[in-house]
Amino acid sequence: GQNIDQPTEMTATEGAIVQINCTYQTSGFNGLFWYQQHAGEAPTFLSYNVLDGLEEKGRFSSFLSRSKGYSYLLLKELQMKDSASYLCAVMDSNYQLIWGAGTKLIIKP
Amino acid sequence: GAVVSQHPSRVICKSGTSVKIECRSLDFQATTMFWYRQFPKKSLMLMATSNEGSKATYEQGVEKDKFLINHASLTLSTLTVTSAHPEDSSFYICSARDGQVGYTFGSGTRLTVV
Repeated sequence: GQNIDQPTEMTATEGAIVQINCTYQTSGFNGLFWYQQHAGEAPTFLSYNVLDGLEEKGRFSSFLSRSKGYSYLLLKELQMKDSASYLCAVMDSNYQLIWGAGTKLIIKP
Repeated sequence: GAVVSQHPSRVICKSGTSVKIECRSLDFQATTMFWYRQFPKKSLMLMATSNEGSKATYEQGVEKDKFLINHASLTLSTLTVTSAHPEDSSFYICSARDGQVGYTFGSGTRLTVV
């Protein structure tokens, strides 16, 4: 079966760095997405990785290792507004998005 | 950037009535739109894939007669929850492939059936 695993909840301190991991087992791979979702709102796009390596975009970076079925989202200089759920999603061979359950990130002052 | 407009954002309806949710792509054409349902503290659950000019493809376990999907134009898809019951109360979100690398989501509809 297809499976996306990510931690349920993480806590970090304002100004610090946090890494949210995502491992996946899917039928085929056409890219991995990270989305941010604040409570009661729709997800917003953060990043897309289809090749191995690190993609940096401001305070957020996303890493992919296809051989390991592994990705992480790195958030630097954490701000209180970064408190949200972070969703990992993989596009499979049928171009369907398979979603992880999301990681709730709590930022403390 | 690509924008998907979803209305209404919140709706309260009585049991047995029907509710229509609209999803519009404002600055791009969306031949395919996706309808999701999300329960509190859970991830997105794909309900159906809406294809312009043809029948929607429903995921296993989703009742197509209860959740009617119409995608009559390249910019509009609608989801109608028919004969709503309290267990249909949920957060419904639409999305469309925006022609670049991402999927753009509508703002979501919070449905409460009383």
